[in-house]
Amino acid sequence: QSVLTQPPSVSGAPGQRVTISCTGSSSNIGAGYDVHWYQQFPGTAPKLLIFGNNNRPSGVPDRFSGSKSGTSASLAITGLQAEDEADYYCQSYDNSLSHVFGTGTNVIVL
Amino acid sequence: EVQLVESGGGLVRPGGSLRLSCAASAFSFSDYSMNWVRQTPGKGLEWAASISSSGSFIDYAASMRGRFTISRDNVKNSLSLRMSSLRAEDTAVYYCARRGHLGDSFDLWGQGTMVTVSS
Repeated sequence: QSVLTQPPSVSGAPGQRVTISCTGSSSNIGAGYDVHWYQQFPGTAPKLLIFGNNNRPSGVPDRFSGSKSGTSASLAITGLQAEDEADYYCQSYDNSLSHVFGTGTNVIVL
Repeated sequence: EVQLVESGGGLVRPGGSLRLSCAASAFSFSDYSMNWVRQTPGKGLEWAASISSSGSFIDYAASMRGRFTISRDNVKNSLSLRMSSLRAEDTAVYYCARRGHLGDSFDLWGQGTMVTVSS
């Protein structure tokens, strides 16, 4: 159903760097639409983490960063902390489907 | 406090109807496009519907078009989603979300309301 593909899970030890990919197509990310990222803890609503490909809202730690190239985008977490264990979703716009979300990635802190 | 609060979820039989509401507070509601996003149990996020700040432009996900109706009241600072012909696969947590001025991201979310479609 989701047109943006993410790995189901990524893991890393505290202090390490992890990246989450978000793969789309020429009708969404590749068409030039911005990518946004959300963080979600179990039982709570998603929270905006990165907007406009690589911008952090006020209050989001600078260990979170985003990038976009071609038909894909990535979220990087540097200096991984235990509190970063959560689900992460990318989101963009699609020419046919309007707003689309990624399949979601569970980040596991070892 | 800037917030969105959903209500109206519950248990409904297949083929039934339900109306969800979202109350906005502490921001200029009429300046923002609003959306409904749902999340099926244990699964990912799915955009359902959006309405422009004035209410003049409305869009739906294909699977909801013709069954769901989004509306807003800029005087009462409220957003609604009327759902009909409900199916088991509509079972989800429904969030209202504001499309803010940070790109076209969803920058403010409510806590969600659970809708269960079951006989």
